[in-house]
Amino acid sequence: DIVMTQTPLSLSVTPGQPASISCKSSQSLLHSSGKTYLYWYLQKPGQPPQLLIYEVSNRFSGVPDRFSGSGSGTDFTLKISRVEAEDVGVYYCLQSTQLHSFGQGTKLEIK
Amino acid sequence: EVQLVESGGGLVQPGGSLRLSCAASGFTFSSYWMKWVRQAPGKGLEWVASIKQDGSEKYYVESVKGRFTISRDNAKNSLYLQMNSLRAEDTAVYYCARWDVWGQGTTVTVSS
Repeated sequence: DIVMTQTPLSLSVTPGQPASISCKSSQSLLHSSGKTYLYWYLQKPGQPPQLLIYEVSNRFSGVPDRFSGSGSGTDFTLKISRVEAEDVGVYYCLQSTQLHSFGQGTKLEIK
Repeated sequence: EVQLVESGGGLVQPGGSLRLSCAASGFTFSSYWMKWVRQAPGKGLEWVASIKQDGSEKYYVESVKGRFTISRDNAKNSLYLQMNSLRAEDTAVYYCARWDVWGQGTTVTVSS
């Protein structure tokens, strides 16, 4: 089973400042298809998760360009260039290369 | 509008059964792998089960193997999760998901 480890588990950010979340997998997420099935989600309080990034670095429809994803192999990062108040919630990474597994979640709050 | 709507949650005693349903609309349901994901109170997300477009392949997280069964009816645009031998640790909000689209979830509580 692939284990996904996120760091940090929480962060407090001043509006307008950047934020970064790391997600490391216990095995390479490079699939035999040549794709890497690593996703990023934001779950706002009381809501289901919403997709931000798919296949490492592709922004989903309607996602602001202040969100970006990068990485390869076993190391991945979600960056928010300028945090806004509406970005609060819990961020999860998900791998779908070998079955599926989520990271523990990173709670983002505004200072 | 692409939509997933879960139903069937409720309170059940340990050892009991429940069948969750997910009604899909706004897209060609038969073209997508579908999943169930759960979230225990105050906890993170856990993938539970997946099913291929034609139902020919099914996968489960280890903790539910032999107790839960995922199925689908493409003619009815519906996804199901039959949950047997329920345990307290199965208490969670259960989401139906396509990875880019999620339902609002249905709550399952296992308690005596």
